[in-house]
Amino acid sequence: GAVVSQHPSRVICKSGTSVKIECRSLDFQATTMFWYRQFPKQSLMLMATSNEGSKATYEQGVEKDKFLINHASLTLSTLTVTSAHPEDSSFYICSAGDRVNDNEKLFFGSGTQLSVL
Amino acid sequence: KQEVTQIPAALSVPEGENLVLNCSFTDSAIYNLQWFRQDPGKGLTSLLLIQSSQREQTSGRLNASLDKSSGRSTLYIAASQPGDSATYLCAIETSGSRLTFGEGTQLTVNP
Repeated sequence: GAVVSQHPSRVICKSGTSVKIECRSLDFQATTMFWYRQFPKQSLMLMATSNEGSKATYEQGVEKDKFLINHASLTLSTLTVTSAHPEDSSFYICSAGDRVNDNEKLFFGSGTQLSVL
Repeated sequence: KQEVTQIPAALSVPEGENLVLNCSFTDSAIYNLQWFRQDPGKGLTSLLLIQSSQREQTSGRLNASLDKSSGRSTLYIAASQPGDSATYLCAIETSGSRLTFGEGTQLTVNP
């Protein structure tokens, strides 16, 4: 079945550094990918919709200059957390849709745990 | 704005027991509803997907129901096993494949 690969699985960094997270669709092409953030004991919150070849669409309250999204190909989207601070520490998950026979099923990456010291 | 609520927040049961997890949502204009499983520090695994025109879906020991008019869904797990221990998330899909998640129910099945 379709697989979404997300790397790295865990990142520990110093405050002020930038961190890049990759999300790849391995068996299918995805024109749209989604980035979610999950704080401890809370629900997943959609941050942005990544569109291949165009600008990402950000949810209200998400800083586009802080969370840079690049979707340069049909199989890869990247999320860069710029100048990370401790409050950015969270679990980040991407998803991509695979459309088969007019039905789109969403597949999720395994997530990235970001800890900013 | 769609809001999704899951009850209970946590549940602990002995092995073999049947159980029901609840999900409610505020806007009935949905595309579909999905139940996911999330293991600690891991991604999500889709368990069941119910289209807005359907009332239930079954997979093995899992059965999910959907009542759009009342804004409710249930996930029924039969003969629970320790391996079922995880967080179960309910998510509503609106247009454009955007999902709104509940906060989840953390299930522990004790041997």
